[in-house]
Amino acid sequence: NAGVTQTPKFRILKIGQSMTLQCTQDMNHNYMYWYRQDPGMGLKLIYYSVGAGITDKGEVPNGYNVSRSTTEDFPLRLELAAPSQTSVYFCASSYGVGWGGRAGNQPQHFGDGTRLSIL
Amino acid sequence: KNEVEQSPQNLTAQEGEFITINCSYSVGISALHWLQQHPGGGIVSLFMLSSGKKKHGRLIATINIQEKHSSLHITASHPRDSAVYICAVPSGEASGSRLTFGEGTQLTVNP
Repeated sequence: NAGVTQTPKFRILKIGQSMTLQCTQDMNHNYMYWYRQDPGMGLKLIYYSVGAGITDKGEVPNGYNVSRSTTEDFPLRLELAAPSQTSVYFCASSYGVGWGGRAGNQPQHFGDGTRLSIL
Repeated sequence: KNEVEQSPQNLTAQEGEFITINCSYSVGISALHWLQQHPGGGIVSLFMLSSGKKKHGRLIATINIQEKHSSLHITASHPRDSAVYICAVPSGEASGSRLTFGEGTQLTVNP
């Protein structure tokens, strides 16, 4: 199994450009997440999805959009890139429900990250 | 929202030393996660625990639910243990589908 695969690994964008970060998982996980990690800061949740066709905002959703048309794929779209979006982006996935019926009781599996610079 | 605090932020040790990293959270939880972020950036889940203690090789994680506190211990530390160690807890909403992450502890083990 490949696990969680993110592409691209690195990207440089100009201000105002748009791009899509790809994320796919082959573990049949219901839950998928997008995080950003800024230097010296903890992971911040951008968007998440509890299943195909269902997405919801996290802590820092402004400037981003997501879709979940299949269980496997969860792309993150940046529209009108801004310097504040320079960060490392991680996609993660987990099984839907752990013990006690809570998804927080399942480990999350992470992709290798996408390092994005906006100049 | 659950608040997570880790200490120390940075830790430097000599090979062979016993390491302790601490994590405190504000809201009662059903499980706590410890993760490791390699120098290359990859993140892996080390432990998920809801009570007591878990051990994988030289790594031991403990949790005290009443005190809202967890510790990650590394025995006989080695330079390959150098990484960022991250604590995470469910965010507090009913479904528990989201995690709140600490800022991480940067561990450097010198030979």
